[in-house]
Amino acid sequence: QVQLQESGPGLVKPSETLSLTCTVSGGSINSDYWSWIRQPPGKGLEWIGYVSYTGSTNYNPSLKSRVTISLDMSKNHFSLRLRSVTAADTAIYYCAGAPDRDVYNFDHWGPGTLVTVSS
Amino acid sequence: DIVMTQSPDSLAVSLDERATINCKSSQSVLYSSNNKNYLAWYQQKPGQPPRLLISWASIRESGVPDRFSGSGSGTDFTFTISSLQTEDVAVYYCQQYYGTPPTFGQGTKVEIK
Repeated sequence: QVQLQESGPGLVKPSETLSLTCTVSGGSINSDYWSWIRQPPGKGLEWIGYVSYTGSTNYNPSLKSRVTISLDMSKNHFSLRLRSVTAADTAIYYCAGAPDRDVYNFDHWGPGTLVTVSS
Repeated sequence: DIVMTQSPDSLAVSLDERATINCKSSQSVLYSSNNKNYLAWYQQKPGQPPRLLISWASIRESGVPDRFSGSGSGTDFTFTISSLQTEDVAVYYCQQYYGTPPTFGQGTKVEIK
């Protein structure tokens, strides 16, 4: 059973970079597509982007200029960097996995981590 | 982006009664070459991540009880809980994956009456 776990700072200052890591256990990161999805408190879901097991990426155009998602196979984890954050980036950040035949069917999720942007 | 609109925003249903959620997309999510609707349904309980229940508009994921079902095609979809149980209290989201970025509906909160 594949399990995902997000980690990273819970508080980021405005204009700085939000950095999170998702560790995959119980399976290899060398398959599937790995996404970040966020949810502002009490609100809906927004897909941020994915990295594939080949290292290819695809980002939400609304965030593309500020986002980088990368894969580290040696550590079996993938990472999110979101630059120049504002209060609007405050959200629960989830990492999720999807099979390569259905890259947007998110069938594995981490528990989520709340990131607050505040000085 | 394809906009997904769910109705209602919330509903209260008695135990063992039927709950129905509608989801409408701003453009068709039916891919004509394979006749598949790129539409999924998720369940999110408080304090938990979403759980994928249904993909391809009507295909239940492994382990999902058969009281959950999905139907529809093109731009109009329905999610049904045939007999509401206490453990079904949650927010339900539809999601399209026909276009990039994938987008979600605003969610429908299901409660016990």
